[in-house]
Amino acid sequence: AQSVSQHNHHVILSEAASLELGCNYSYGGTVNLFWYVQYPGQHLQLLLKYFSGDPLVKGIKGFEAEFIKSKFSFNLRKPSVQWSDTAEYFCAVKHGSGNTGKLIFGQGTTLQVKP
Amino acid sequence: DTAVSQTPKYLVTQMGNDKSIKCEQNLGHDTMYWYKQDSKKFLKIMFSYNNKELIINETVPNRFSPKSPDKAHLNLHINSLELGDSAVYFCASSQSWEGFSGNTIYFGEGSWLTVV
Repeated sequence: AQSVSQHNHHVILSEAASLELGCNYSYGGTVNLFWYVQYPGQHLQLLLKYFSGDPLVKGIKGFEAEFIKSKFSFNLRKPSVQWSDTAEYFCAVKHGSGNTGKLIFGQGTTLQVKP
Repeated sequence: DTAVSQTPKYLVTQMGNDKSIKCEQNLGHDTMYWYKQDSKKFLKIMFSYNNKELIINETVPNRFSPKSPDKAHLNLHINSLELGDSAVYFCASSQSWEGFSGNTIYFGEGSWLTVV
């Protein structure tokens, strides 16, 4: 079965530190890739997405992600985190074969940024 | 205006009760979804409707019954609530479901259900 793995379950950083959250997926065909963020007590918001084209995708709030097809990865990065980035981050994949629109989510990464 | 809105936001109820969560989207989308987020924050799809028709049913107990009166609404009714039903339920929508359209899915704010 297709799956999405986020290797870092809980990350603690100080403000201004650089961030990289890992995401790998198991599906070998064409994929759409997403990163969502969930701030405490709030709904999921789209950070960025990759459909096609430039594998380096820029999103909101200074986040970016790079799609590396050979590694089945879509890691999220931010050069300098802020306290307000404290949240839960979810990687999600939608694949092409027989797709009915559903997203498959990773288990999430809790990011805690210390002021 | 909230694009995908769901009510109630918080719901505490006793085991055995029947409850409903309502969802509405004003984006003009054709497809709506219900996702469940468990205590470990793992998100998984439950149902998807496209233009009022069920297209995804992910092995969810029969106690859960979605209803879509029109394409802008997808309500979730849960019968005989169990402790294990405690979770956050997210409604979502996208422009369409077809194959591999690259559509983005937009989520509501979630409904926190606690069964005691």
